[in-house]
Amino acid sequence: GAVVSQHPSRVICKSGTSVKIECRSLDFQATTMFWYRQFPKQSLMLMATSNEGSKATYEQGVEKDKFLINHASLTLSTLTVTSAHPEDSSFYICSARSSSAGTDTQYFGPGTRLTVL
Amino acid sequence: AQSVTQPDIHITVSEGASLELRCNYSYGATPYLFWYVQSPGQGLQLLLKYFSGDTLVQGIKGFEAEFKRSQSSFNLRKPSVHWSDAAEYFCAVGVPEDFNKFYFGSGTKLNVKP
Repeated sequence: GAVVSQHPSRVICKSGTSVKIECRSLDFQATTMFWYRQFPKQSLMLMATSNEGSKATYEQGVEKDKFLINHASLTLSTLTVTSAHPEDSSFYICSARSSSAGTDTQYFGPGTRLTVL
Repeated sequence: AQSVTQPDIHITVSEGASLELRCNYSYGATPYLFWYVQSPGQGLQLLLKYFSGDTLVQGIKGFEAEFKRSQSSFNLRKPSVHWSDAAEYFCAVGVPEDFNKFYFGSGTKLNVKP
């Protein structure tokens, strides 16, 4: 149980285009999902917290107009990188918060490698 | 402010040897504590977690971790390392009162010598 998927796993796009990344919790409902960014050989940096049915909250320094987050259902959150530029190239990982059985754990997706040319 | 420190960037151990990865945190109360493992180009897999109760927690793949409040530590251990354990390991603190936001340590890359 507690499986999180991401799609696509890899995407290459031209500078100036927009890219949408999907994050799904496959076997549980997640009222909260998180989006992280990981640069090579570095740790995960939290970008934003996505709450179902409400606006996402962004961490300091993250441009909300550039990284659009939608959490329209209890099993799906999307991250759209708008007008992508080469510096947006990174590994994006989502997680979904599971509160079942009295525990509170984040389960992570496999990540999406974004390359902007 | 919350912070997580993993003082060892790289560790190399021989297969069959014991392993301890260090993690220290800074947080005002008792946090939720986690260890995750990441293989190259992959997402994170949960190894174990501590919420409350017994301070020695058992995880998957033969890993265990001990919460020591007095030292603000949550070190990960394994008595005998296998070559397949080579990966990057991340310690994380969860903040219960803030949607359980996670703050990650910088990671420790484990190499296993044959």
